[in-house]
Amino acid sequence: DGGITQSPKYLFRKEGQNVTLSCEQNLNHDAMYWYRQDPGQGLRLIYYSQIVNDFQKGDIAEGYSVSREKKESFPLTVTSAQKNPTAFYLCASSIAGSSGQPQHFGDGTRLSIL
Amino acid sequence: AQSVTQPDIHITVSEGASLELRCNYSYGATPYLFWYVQSPGQGLQLLLKYFSGDTLVQGIKGFEAEFKRSQSSFNLRKPSVHWSDAAEYFCAALTGTASKLTFGTGTRLQVTL
Repeated sequence: DGGITQSPKYLFRKEGQNVTLSCEQNLNHDAMYWYRQDPGQGLRLIYYSQIVNDFQKGDIAEGYSVSREKKESFPLTVTSAQKNPTAFYLCASSIAGSSGQPQHFGDGTRLSIL
Repeated sequence: AQSVTQPDIHITVSEGASLELRCNYSYGATPYLFWYVQSPGQGLQLLLKYFSGDTLVQGIKGFEAEFKRSQSSFNLRKPSVHWSDAAEYFCAALTGTASKLTFGTGTRLQVTL
């Protein structure tokens, strides 16, 4: 079945450490997105990519980095510059970025600080 | 600024009772509108979407939503709630020229037996 796979499900980060969250999709979608979810704040967009080798900052990109070398993959790195990284991270994809198509979500990665 | 508002943070209903979750949007033009549901520790599942045309939209799991342009609202309804409907519900909007979904802050639904 087609879908979005996020790994790992749980991740722990030490102070000063960079960690990378994986997101893979086999839906043949062009656009991919990363969201951060905190209690009571809904979902906030970190980065998005509408095509391979191109991506744009979302509303809260500081302290995060991404790459889009393959259509299927959109990994998110949480850098040591992100001072409050504890959150639930959701990856999503859609057929095309600007045609109003719904986004489909993975099951998320919960990141905590040791 | 473009925004989506879900005024109810938490709602409790009895099983079998009807449900209405409120959503209001603030956009210059009518956006694409979506309702998603999230179970604890899970991703979001699309319930339904409004693009244009009929103002009453049918979705999965017996949910429907009504678009009211005059009120800038897109409320989610279900005639009879089941205990398995307990979850968090998010309203979201997307404009035709943007690639970003704007989410409301969510409404947590609790169902009592």
